[in-house]
Amino acid sequence: DQQVKQNSPSLSVQEGRISILNCDYTNSMFDYFLWYKKYPAEGPTFLISISSIKDKNEDGRFTVFLNKSAKHLSLHIVPSQPGDSAVYFCAASKGSGNTGKLIFGQGTTLQVKP
Amino acid sequence: ETGVTQSPTHLIKTRGQQVTLRCSSQSGHNTVSWYQQALGQGPQFIFQYYREEENGRGNFPPRFSGLQFPNYSSELNVNALELDDSALYLCASSPGGVDAEAFFGQGTRLTVV
Repeated sequence: DQQVKQNSPSLSVQEGRISILNCDYTNSMFDYFLWYKKYPAEGPTFLISISSIKDKNEDGRFTVFLNKSAKHLSLHIVPSQPGDSAVYFCAASKGSGNTGKLIFGQGTTLQVKP
Repeated sequence: ETGVTQSPTHLIKTRGQQVTLRCSSQSGHNTVSWYQQALGQGPQFIFQYYREEENGRGNFPPRFSGLQFPNYSSELNVNALELDDSALYLCASSPGGVDAEAFFGQGTRLTVV
């Protein structure tokens, strides 16, 4: 039972263009969502988060959108840079925000070509 | 401010053996969570410790157990290792407050042969 799904295993974009990574979830009790980036041989690094009371959160080149009715969130990276090439995981938690008990998707490998 | 550190970074064990993995949480963080990441998958929640008490557990058998110490560092113990236990084990610490993101260590790569 995969409660958080990232249906695209990989994505390739040109440097300077927009990268859009998608994530779907099934559990309506999730109230906090996060995106992590992971390079090989490193642990996941926090990127950006959003609470279920919001529909958008922005931090520099990264914007996360949340559509609660569709149980869908997306991460936009504009402009994409070669250093953004990594595996991106979306994660969700429930119960008064992020309790640290995260349910992760399978990940999407982003390749940004120079 | 030191980050989350895990030891060892790599480990090879034989099926049936026992293993202990260690994690030092980030300064000021009282909550530690452990995750198992199999190849090509996202991390899966094993359990969480808050102020030395287990505070939630994922779908893992009892042979996965843990401890948290007064300095908030933590151990993950796995008994009777199986081949399927081969994975990257990640530790994450957080301050335990609402909307506080978890910070991950670099992981321990466990191979069971």
